[in-house]
Amino acid sequence: DAGVIQSPRHEVTEMGQEVTLRCKPISGHNSLFWYRQTMMRGLELLIYFNNNVPIDDSGMPEDRFSAKMPNASFSTLKIQPSEPRDSAVYFCASSLNSADTQYFGPGTRLTVL
Amino acid sequence: KQEVTQIPAALSVPEGENLVLNCSFTDSAIYNLQWFRQDPGKGLTSLLLIQSSQREQTSGRLNASLDKSSGRSTLYIAASQPGDSATYLCAVRGYGGSQGNLIFGKGTKLSVKP
Repeated sequence: DAGVIQSPRHEVTEMGQEVTLRCKPISGHNSLFWYRQTMMRGLELLIYFNNNVPIDDSGMPEDRFSAKMPNASFSTLKIQPSEPRDSAVYFCASSLNSADTQYFGPGTRLTVL
Repeated sequence: KQEVTQIPAALSVPEGENLVLNCSFTDSAIYNLQWFRQDPGKGLTSLLLIQSSQREQTSGRLNASLDKSSGRSTLYIAASQPGDSATYLCAVRGYGGSQGNLIFGKGTKLSVKP
């Protein structure tokens, strides 16, 4: 298996622009997670899905952030409009079920100027 | 609110030493605990997962222990090698609706000198 796939790997954009991050989980995994990592706050869960349904989005910072999972093999995290404080590394992870070992993608490094 | 702390934040040892990384958590009602490794510019790799009913897990030169009552876990690395240099993170998982929610420590950055 190719593991969790994320795109793009790097994104540089200007404040106010829309940003879309993409994730393909490991085939057969029922749970998908979006995390954000910064030096100040470490690794934080933004949202997770079970069987394509959002279960816990309490970590989504504000309405500018939205996530979707239209099918079992694809998810997006969108930021609109983006702000400099959104600069971070965004990770996607998947697991067989929500309490099982999570497997992480390589991350998307987002820079908002 | 669960908080996870890892001390020290950074550790440098000579090759061949045995070492212990520490993780503490404030709420002992955890479902399981997971140790990860993160290499610079990369994602996280799962090392060991300990269920709340277990005391330890072993994989190769790695041994993780869990003491729920005291809110502590340790990751023991035997005969350290330069390839072990990375940041090690521990994460705890709660019960019920928060089962998917891993709470991470900020990690210990390990450097093993040849």
